[in-house]
Amino acid sequence: NAGVTQTPKFRILKIGQSMTLQCAQDMNHNYMYWYRQDPGMGLKLIYYSVGAGITDKGEVPNGYNVSRSTTEDFPLRLELAAPSQTSVYFCASSYQGQGIGTQYFGPGTRLLVL
Amino acid sequence: QQQVKQSPQSLIVQKGGISIINCAYENTAFDYFPWYQQFPGKGPALLIAIRPDVSEKKEGRFTISFNKSAKQFSLHIMDSQPGDSATYFCAASNGSEKLVFGKGTKLTVNP
Repeated sequence: NAGVTQTPKFRILKIGQSMTLQCAQDMNHNYMYWYRQDPGMGLKLIYYSVGAGITDKGEVPNGYNVSRSTTEDFPLRLELAAPSQTSVYFCASSYQGQGIGTQYFGPGTRLLVL
Repeated sequence: QQQVKQSPQSLIVQKGGISIINCAYENTAFDYFPWYQQFPGKGPALLIAIRPDVSEKKEGRFTISFNKSAKQFSLHIMDSQPGDSATYFCAASNGSEKLVFGKGTKLTVNP
């Protein structure tokens, strides 16, 4: 199993540009999550999904959108990038019933908005 | 409240010493308390977790101590090694789909 994969690893965006961060998992997990990590601030939940076709907002959803058309994929869309979106983005997944806290994280996407 | 407060922000320990990281929470509905370990350039990975029906859980050199009445839990790393140098996050869940994370502790173990 590859686990949770994320692409790209690093990206530089100009203010106002848009992009999609890709996330895929091959563990047949129902739950998927997007977090952002800023220095000294821990992990903040952006959006999450409890299954294909179902998504919900987390703590910091503004400026982002998600979709979940399949169990495997959970892309994060940034519209009109702003410097405040400079961060490291992590995708994670978990299997319902294994303990909600057991999340498996991808390697992250480092995004720089200039 | 959904907040989990973690301290210290950074910690330097000599090889062979004990590393202690503390977390406190307010929401008494939390019933799952994991610790995640993150190495530079990597995603966090589950290290050890505890539920409030026990006061302590040990896995190798890593121990979680849980104090339900004080609403506190801590991670103890015995015989700390340079390879333990990483950022550690405590977290809590109330059985919903979401975890609440602490802000992290950067541990440096000097050789």
